[in-house]
Amino acid sequence: DIQMTQSPSSLAASVGDRVTITCRASQNIGDYLNWYQQKPGKAPRLLIYAASGLQSGVPSRFSGSGSGTDFTLTISSLQPEDFVTYSCQQTYSVPWTFGQGTKVEIK
Amino acid sequence: EVQLLESGGGLVQRGGSLRLSCAASGFTFDNYWMTWVRQAPGKGLEWVANIKQDGSEKFYVDSVKGRITISRDNARDSLYLQFNSLRVEDTAVYYCVRARRYCRSTTSCPEGLDYWGQGTLVSVAS
Repeated sequence: DIQMTQSPSSLAASVGDRVTITCRASQNIGDYLNWYQQKPGKAPRLLIYAASGLQSGVPSRFSGSGSGTDFTLTISSLQPEDFVTYSCQQTYSVPWTFGQGTKVEIK
Repeated sequence: EVQLLESGGGLVQRGGSLRLSCAASGFTFDNYWMTWVRQAPGKGLEWVANIKQDGSEKFYVDSVKGRITISRDNARDSLYLQFNSLRVEDTAVYYCVRARRYCRSTTSCPEGLDYWGQGTLVSVAS
């Protein structure tokens, strides 16, 4: 199985900050990497598909990059509604696996 | 508007059975792979199973193989998850999810989980 490791597990930031979350795959997954946002008590929402594609309706302050084993999600200017949890996922091979999640908290 | 509505969750005894249903609307159901993803209380997301458009291919996470069956009824635009021999560790919110392919070439078609249901809670009591 492909292991997905996110870092950090949590971070504290302020409104307006630029934030980067990293996801590392245990083997080459090309660009088969997605990012999700999840608010408490709600279903996840797809933000970024295929490593860098911005899902329809997602604000442009979210961006993704990377290929192979190392990927990043960047939020260019944190907004109050962005202080939630983010998870990466690989769909290169089954079982599709998720990272453990990164919780973004208010500093 | 795409909608996925799960039902069938509840409290079950260990070793029991349960069937989850997901009613899909707002899109051509039989054009998409469908997926179940679960989330145990306070934990991360875990992919459970996939099923191809026509039901001819199915994949499962190892921890549920032999105990869980994914199926679909394209005539009813519905997805199902049948549990047998439930374990305490199956306790989770189960999400019905649409898998979309974002093809960039004829050889690269990464999938993304683009629409999610609201989830249904399965609690397994010991």
